[in-house]
Amino acid sequence: NAGVMQNPRHLVRRRGQEARLRCSPMKGHSHVYWYRQLPEEGLKFMVYLQKENIIDESGMPKERFSAEFPKEGPSILRIQQVVRGDSAAYFCASSPPMEGQTEAFFGQGTRLTVV
Amino acid sequence: AQSVTQLDSHVSVSEGALVLLRCNYSSSVPPYLFWYVQYPNQGLQLLLKYTSAATLVKGINGFEAEFKKSETSFHLTKPSAHMSDAAEYFCVVSPNKAAGNKLTFGGGTRVLVKP
Repeated sequence: NAGVMQNPRHLVRRRGQEARLRCSPMKGHSHVYWYRQLPEEGLKFMVYLQKENIIDESGMPKERFSAEFPKEGPSILRIQQVVRGDSAAYFCASSPPMEGQTEAFFGQGTRLTVV
Repeated sequence: AQSVTQLDSHVSVSEGALVLLRCNYSSSVPPYLFWYVQYPNQGLQLLLKYTSAATLVKGINGFEAEFKKSETSFHLTKPSAHMSDAAEYFCVVSPNKAAGNKLTFGGGTRVLVKP
């Protein structure tokens, strides 16, 4: 059973370009979470999705950021018109379709660098 | 609102010495508490979790943590450090079962192990 797969591992974008980060959850997991880790900081919650639904996006910046988790395919975190401050590591986590607290399994992250 | 404070941003220990990583949380209700480890350029791995059962929680790789409600602490310890323990450690809180894996991370403690 493969773990949570994120790609690409490293992404370089020029200011103003779009960044698309992909996350394939573990097999059988239907809950996906995105976190952002700025340099020298802990992870910050961004968004919680279930298949075709955004459950909680309270940590998402109001502009330029969007996330989806379609019925088929990976979850996508999209950042439009990137700026230098978007440079960070973005982690995806997945958990099983169960109510309540279950272990979240993290991917290895995508490290975005905006130049 | 939940918050978690890791009291040391860096800890340096000698191989074979005790490892102590301090964590305090604030929560209006008994929380779920976790410790995660992040190796360089890797994702996060769960070390252990407290979910209101035993207050002394044993995890992987010889780590354990004790939940002390009176002190609102959840310090992580390992009796004898190994070189492979060099990593960053995060204390994490989740407010309740319903929050699932919407986690709040501490700022992290980077552990250096000296030979």
